[in-house]
Amino acid sequence: EPEVTQTPSHQVTQMGQEVILRCVPISNHLYFYWYRQILGQKVEFLVSFYNNEISEKSEIFDDQFSVERPDGSNFTLKIRSTKLEDSAMYFCASSPDRANQPQHFGDGTRLSIL
Amino acid sequence: QQQVKQSPQSLIVQKGGISIINCAYENTAFDYFPWYQQFPGKGPALLIAIRPDVSEKKEGRFTISFNKSAKQFSLHIMDSQPGDSATYFCASQGAGNMLTFGGGTRLMVKP
Repeated sequence: EPEVTQTPSHQVTQMGQEVILRCVPISNHLYFYWYRQILGQKVEFLVSFYNNEISEKSEIFDDQFSVERPDGSNFTLKIRSTKLEDSAMYFCASSPDRANQPQHFGDGTRLSIL
Repeated sequence: QQQVKQSPQSLIVQKGGISIINCAYENTAFDYFPWYQQFPGKGPALLIAIRPDVSEKKEGRFTISFNKSAKQFSLHIMDSQPGDSATYFCASQGAGNMLTFGGGTRLMVKP
């Protein structure tokens, strides 16, 4: 069964540094998402991306965050200047289209900010 | 804020028993309600989902019951097994793409 793959599985970064989290969505999917889960808390939506532009974003997704689809397969989340509170699991997801189709999640990247 | 409230936070069930997890939503524009299962170190995996035009959906041992007027939906796991021990999240989605998740229920099924 096709899967969403995320790399790295764990990223340790000094506060203030830039970090890029990478995802390969399922190949025939058109919508891509990033969510985060702070330890012990609920999964929170960050951003959705369709047709090479952001289609929706939450208040969490401020100017320090950006997303990009640099080629036909990868989808990235960049955090420009990391803060301690950015420490979380970051999940990438994809879905076939926007008509309330199931979103399939990767296994996440654990981001630890020191 | 468009919240989804999930209960209980944790649940212990004997093997063979029925596990019941409840969720309530606020936004009447939500029209897609999935349940996700998450094992430690893994991402949420879609378990079963329902749309509000039906009141119940069953897939194997998993059933979603949906009450549109009460804005509530629940997951029933019949004949619960130790392998079902995981964290379960309900979620809701409206016209946009974002999923709004409940707080999660940690289920433990005792052998």
